[in-house]
Amino acid sequence: GAVVSQHPSWVICKSGTSVKIECRSLDFQATTMFWYRQFPKQSLMLMATSNEGSKATYEQGVEKDKFLINHASLTLSTLTVTSAHPEDSSFYICSARDKGEGTNEQFFGPGTRLTVL
Amino acid sequence: AQSVAQPEDQVNVAEGNPLTVKCTYSVSGNPYLFWYVQYPNRGLQFLLKYITGDNLVKGSYGFEAEFNKSQTSFHLKKPSALVSDSALYFCAVRDYNYQLIWGAGTKLIIKP
Repeated sequence: GAVVSQHPSWVICKSGTSVKIECRSLDFQATTMFWYRQFPKQSLMLMATSNEGSKATYEQGVEKDKFLINHASLTLSTLTVTSAHPEDSSFYICSARDKGEGTNEQFFGPGTRLTVL
Repeated sequence: AQSVAQPEDQVNVAEGNPLTVKCTYSVSGNPYLFWYVQYPNRGLQFLLKYITGDNLVKGSYGFEAEFNKSQTSFHLKKPSALVSDSALYFCAVRDYNYQLIWGAGTKLIIKP
């Protein structure tokens, strides 16, 4: 149980295009999902917290107009990188908090490698 | 402010030897502590957590961690390292918003 999937697992796009990344909780309901960004050999950086049915809360320094987050259902959140540029190339990881699990542990997706040319 | 420190960027251990990956924390109140492992180009995998109870927590793949309140530490340990344990290990503490505060990560290299 407690499986989180991400799609796609990797994507290569041209500069200026937009890319959508999906995060799904497969066997549980997630009222909250988190989006992280990870640069090579570095720790995870929290970008935003996404609550189902409400606007995402962005961390300081993260452009909300560039990184659009939608959490339309209890099992799906999407991150859209708009007008992507090479500096947006990174590993994006989502996690989901199980609504019903006692300790509200986060479960992580496998990550999406974005490369912007 | 809550924080997590992993003082070692890299730990090298010979296969079969015991390993320790260090983690110290600073929190207000009771800490919820986690260890995750990340293999190259992969997401994070949960290893173990401490919420309450016994100070020695057993987790996946033969790993365990010892919670030490007086030293504010939560070191990850394994009695006998395997080459396949080579990966990036992250310690984290959960804050009141259920967000995870992450350590910088420690690269563990197990040499045959």
